[in-house]
Amino acid sequence: NAGVTQTPKFQVLKTGQSMTLQCAQDMNHNSMYWYRQDPGMGLRLIYYSASEGTTDKGEVPNGYNVSRLNKREFSLRLESAAPSQTSVYFCASSEGPLYGYTFGSGTRLTVV
Amino acid sequence: DQQVKQNSPSLSVQEGRISILNCDYTNSMFDYFLWYKKYPAEGPTFLISISSIKDKNEDGRFTVFLNKSAKHLSLHIVPSQPGDSAVYFCAASAYNAGNMLTFGGGTRLMVKP
Repeated sequence: NAGVTQTPKFQVLKTGQSMTLQCAQDMNHNSMYWYRQDPGMGLRLIYYSASEGTTDKGEVPNGYNVSRLNKREFSLRLESAAPSQTSVYFCASSEGPLYGYTFGSGTRLTVV
Repeated sequence: DQQVKQNSPSLSVQEGRISILNCDYTNSMFDYFLWYKKYPAEGPTFLISISSIKDKNEDGRFTVFLNKSAKHLSLHIVPSQPGDSAVYFCAASAYNAGNMLTFGGGTRLMVKP
């Protein structure tokens, strides 16, 4: 019963490097989300995908791109990492907020 | 400007006593509210929710109260247990905004044995 799986769990990048954070869910949920968590800021929505084939910007999309590869997978890409993107990133999926979100265990990213 | 605010970054409570975590919001269009609990190195987990048509929802030791006129909600944990020590996030959604969740900054609860 995996739920939402994120890889990698930890990553250190140099400024300017690129990387993709992977997320997969096995609950057949339509909606998927990427959040970042920073101290005192709670979780802020980066991008979301309401259904397969659609993606939309959230509160803090600058510097990120996403791909909804299929119903299971939703990836987050940093094209040119910056120290301001040092954060913990969470992927989540849902059938709608009335049912709550199921979160992955997070990716801790440090950009030096 | 944060639409959902948790003004207490931390709270310390003795085991067996009541824990009260507070949350304020500014967007009057929010119609569904949730609380999440987060342990270190784990993702947040859904705890309890309440619709704007209700003013109270109870689930075991956890009760959420909603005061729409004050735009305030609270989570009561009775009795508090050491295993409740975690960071608690409140979140809100609005049906006409695509049901996205907006989170507060979190409150770290420490329950002392």
